[in-house]
Amino acid sequence: QVQLQESGPGLVKPSQTLSLTCTVSGASIRDGIYHWNWIRQHPGKGLEWIGNIYDSGSTYSNPSLKSRLTISVDTSKNQFSLKLSSVTAADTAVYYCAAQSLGEFSFDYWGQGTVVTVSS
Amino acid sequence: QSALTQPASVSGSPGQSITISCTGTSSDVGGYNYVSWYQQHPGKAPKLMIFDVSNRPSGISNRFSGSKSGNTASLTISGLQAKDEADYYCTSYTSSATFVFGPGTRVTVL
Repeated sequence: QVQLQESGPGLVKPSQTLSLTCTVSGASIRDGIYHWNWIRQHPGKGLEWIGNIYDSGSTYSNPSLKSRLTISVDTSKNQFSLKLSSVTAADTAVYYCAAQSLGEFSFDYWGQGTVVTVSS
Repeated sequence: QSALTQPASVSGSPGQSITISCTGTSSDVGGYNYVSWYQQHPGKAPKLMIFDVSNRPSGISNRFSGSKSGNTASLTISGLQAKDEADYYCTSYTSSATFVFGPGTRVTVL
């Protein structure tokens, strides 16, 4: 059973970079049998797909966030990360990491989510 | 990319069946059999209920079923139970190798 846990600062100042990490247990990122996704949910709103990274290292992003987004993997720590630059209050949300099985197009496993507030 | 379209709310009495629609375009819902549905209770992470339009993950009740016709996918919950009261989101893979979600549907059990 794959388990995911998000971590990172809960408060980020406007114009700074939001950095989150997702620690994976129950599976090895190095095995390459999952793709790794980030999804967020604005307060009281619906889900928004942010982007993902495939086992090949290729990344795909929501067009609305692409210019500010970096997703990477650290196989030595069995973690993947999100960096979102030049944040504004509109980036305040619950951020989830999620695993997508190789060859599938759904989010099988989710972290519990972490709240990030952008405020000075 | 534009979000998929879902009704804001659907309600039903215990034991009844309800259906939630999810409408996209030929670039997402209509173009791929990669629609999935998620259940989210307040304060909890979403949970996968249906993948690839109509497949249930292990452990998901057969009261949940999915289908698709053209650019519209549907989730049906039969034998509605109090525990089914939650928000439901559809998502689809797109021709840009991205994913798009619907705005969510609040299911109320009367």
